[in-house]
Amino acid sequence: GAGVSQSPRYKVAKRGQDVALRCDPISGHVSLFWYQQALGQGPEFLTYFQNEAQLDKSGLPSDRFFAERPEGSVSTLKIQRTQQEDSAVYLCASSFIYRNTEAFFGQGTRLTVV
Amino acid sequence: QQQVKQSPQSLIVQKGGIPIINCAYENTAFDYFPWYQQFPGKGPALLIAIRPDVSEKKEGRFTISFNKSAKQFSLHIMDSQPGDSATYFCAASEDNAGNMLTFGGGTRLMVKP
Repeated sequence: GAGVSQSPRYKVAKRGQDVALRCDPISGHVSLFWYQQALGQGPEFLTYFQNEAQLDKSGLPSDRFFAERPEGSVSTLKIQRTQQEDSAVYLCASSFIYRNTEAFFGQGTRLTVV
Repeated sequence: QQQVKQSPQSLIVQKGGIPIINCAYENTAFDYFPWYQQFPGKGPALLIAIRPDVSEKKEGRFTISFNKSAKQFSLHIMDSQPGDSATYFCAASEDNAGNMLTFGGGTRLMVKP
């Protein structure tokens, strides 16, 4: 596809349920980022991959959050035992590796935990 | 700790007006400052970006002004149109942090016809 694709677009989970959010980056983009955007707020960094290597996971809010990118392309963000405070839009972005190049964002997955 | 502070939170202007959105940062290692535009239900899209070796950059109706000593930068939208109504985010990143972006809190802009 031409852009970053995320699925599902919307997810409603019962509290305690596990969820998996998928990101298909732009073909050839080495870097992949996950951000969390709470309602009315700016996106906040969660984690960063360079190819299949997870170079930074300092933004993951708890050990219930896990991300992977096993083949250096598609990435999955998994949230275990979801809590109401996990409700947010989860954005994926990809870019080339070069300095200060544009990060392209997907449309996000809106997660609502009830 | 909020490393990039953005103001105002919301802004209403008439068509043709020049909204100005301001951002201030603390981390002197930041060296890339993009502005993103986000429409409801969409992901952020890059508008314009600047590096600290220049004080101003223009692309179409959008201008970034950058003051390195004050650690501040701002976005001006010339001849604003109703279609510019969106949420605008400033952001910053360090050269050695991949392209990990630290975002401001956002400004919700409404341009009235």
